[in-house]
Amino acid sequence: EPEVTQTPSHQVTQMGQEVILRCVPISNHLYFYWYRQILGQKVEFLVSFYNNEISEKSEIFDDQFSVERPDGSNFTLKIRSTKLEDSAMYFCASSEGGELFFGEGSRLTVL
Amino acid sequence: GENVEQHPSTLSVQEGDSAVIKCTYSDSASNYFPWYKQELGKRPQLIIDIRSNVGEKKDQRIAVTLNKTAKHFSLHITETQPEDSAVYFCAASPYWGKSTFGDGTTLTVKP
Repeated sequence: EPEVTQTPSHQVTQMGQEVILRCVPISNHLYFYWYRQILGQKVEFLVSFYNNEISEKSEIFDDQFSVERPDGSNFTLKIRSTKLEDSAMYFCASSEGGELFFGEGSRLTVL
Repeated sequence: GENVEQHPSTLSVQEGDSAVIKCTYSDSASNYFPWYKQELGKRPQLIIDIRSNVGEKKDQRIAVTLNKTAKHFSLHITETQPEDSAVYFCAASPYWGKSTFGDGTTLTVKP
């Protein structure tokens, strides 16, 4: 069964450093998302991407965040200058409408 | 934007009993209502969903009901088993669009 894959599974970084989280969505899906989940809290929407552009973004997704689909398969989330409060699990998801298919997540720890 | 409220935040039941989790939403444009189960350290996984043209849907021990007029929907789990213990999230969205999640319900099924 096709799956969304994410790398790295865990990244530890120093405050102020740049981080890139990578995702390979399911190949025939057209809608891509990044969500984050702070430990013990709910799943929060960051950004959606469709037709090679951002379709919607949340207040969390400020100027330090960016997304790219550099080729036909990868979908990346970049955090330019990480803050302590960026520590969370970041989930990539893809969809063809309706159900979200989540990757296993990338745990980001900012020290 | 959409606001989803979920109750209760924790629920403890005896094995074999039923569990009910309730959610309300605010945006009339939402027409897709999934429920996700998240085990500790894992990704959210869809367990059942319902679209707004349907009032009830059942899949073995799990059922979801939707009241569009009142803007609320509920998850019903019958004959609960210890392996049902997890965090359950409701969500609401347009069918092609971001999902807004509830705060989650931690279900504990005691043997």
